[in-house]
Amino acid sequence: AQKVTQAQTEISVVEKEDVTLDCVYETRDTTYYLFWYKQPPSGELVFLIRRNSFDEQNEISGRYSWNFQKSTSSFNFTITASQVVDSAVYFCALSDDGRALTFGSGTRLQVQP
Amino acid sequence: DAGVIQSPRHEVTEMGQEVTLRCKPISGHDYLFWYRQTMMRGLELLIYFNNNVPIDDSGMPEDRFSAKMPNASFSTLKIQPSEPRDSAVYFCASSRLVEETQYFGPGTRLLVL
Repeated sequence: AQKVTQAQTEISVVEKEDVTLDCVYETRDTTYYLFWYKQPPSGELVFLIRRNSFDEQNEISGRYSWNFQKSTSSFNFTITASQVVDSAVYFCALSDDGRALTFGSGTRLQVQP
Repeated sequence: DAGVIQSPRHEVTEMGQEVTLRCKPISGHDYLFWYRQTMMRGLELLIYFNNNVPIDDSGMPEDRFSAKMPNASFSTLKIQPSEPRDSAVYFCASSRLVEETQYFGPGTRLLVL
């Protein structure tokens, strides 16, 4: 069965610190897709990235970067030089076997000024 | 495109009343998803549609919940009768394919007294 684990319930950092949010997934499929979403205090769910299982290249977008490692079934998300505006709940999600997304329980990130 | 549109944004009702939540997906998206978010259970998939046909309703909590998609641009989620434990944020999302990125609406915050 598909499963997504975000073991970190809450992380608190001081502005300008780097922070990594962990995501571990389980699937029996060879073709699958991984996602990260951000939910700021205003409540909407904002798409950040989608990655397919055949593309293990790391991705960088500004201060955000993602590390996909099939060997450890992980898709970790790093924010470099964190800012207060990064404070949010971040969700990792998985889609496999033509199924809809399975979300992790989320990690609440608090960036203190 | 306007994105996924949900109405109402907030709903307060009394136990036993009927509640209808509405969603307009992004034009051209063949998949529509209904989620519920609570502190206790996180983000749960309730039901999803492909080309207006329900594909998986295994997440619908009980018979008090029903969902319809009469056409490609409109879906409803109905709770009848509502109970206090139904209080949650209900999100609608849409995507072109089931494994592609889902774009979320702003959510409907439901409070059942």
